[in-house]
Amino acid sequence: GAGVSQSPSNKVTEKGKDVELRCDPISGHTALYWYRQSLGQGLEFLIYFQGNSAPDKSGLPSDRFSAERTGGSVSTLTIQRTQQEDSAVYLCASSSSGLGGDTQYFGPGTRLTVL
Amino acid sequence: QQQVKQSPQSLIVQKGGISIINCAYENTAFDYFPWYQQFPGKGPALLIAIRPDVSEKKEGRFTISVNKSAKQFSLHIMDSQPGDSATYFCAATSPYSNDYKLSFGAGTTVTVRA
Repeated sequence: GAGVSQSPSNKVTEKGKDVELRCDPISGHTALYWYRQSLGQGLEFLIYFQGNSAPDKSGLPSDRFSAERTGGSVSTLTIQRTQQEDSAVYLCASSSSGLGGDTQYFGPGTRLTVL
Repeated sequence: QQQVKQSPQSLIVQKGGISIINCAYENTAFDYFPWYQQFPGKGPALLIAIRPDVSEKKEGRFTISVNKSAKQFSLHIMDSQPGDSATYFCAATSPYSNDYKLSFGAGTTVTVRA
């Protein structure tokens, strides 16, 4: 594809429900990142994938958050038992190799609202 | 804690004016400083970046500079236009290690008044 795509673009859910957010990176990019952007805040790093492995999960805020990547391509971020404080825009980015200095290309994000 | 501090949080500038955004960092290993531009409803997009051993870079109306001794870097938008109205994020990382993680500032919302 031409760029990073994410789905859904908007998700409204009730507190306590599970949600899955999807990211399709740029074809051939080995590195994939998830960030969270809360209203008026900067980008908070969540997790980094190199291929299908996640060497850095340090940014996941709690064990309710998990992510996987399959086939070195699509990634899914899952939030279990959603809470109102999970409401944010979840951004996915990919880069060609994951080395520092590689440009990270961002998707449009998924806006999650937990009622 | 935030490794990159960005200021101001927001600014308003008249068309044709200069917008200046400043960032400060603590990690002396940082040597790659990209700036991202984000329009409402869109993901951030790389605007301009400065690579190691370069202290200033200009692309059109956008100039970025780094002062490593002060651990500060900045973005200047010359002749600001209404189309420049967006949120700008500074970021930093070390390109020499496997430090893939970008540390972002909190963002500056720029409004250019016609």
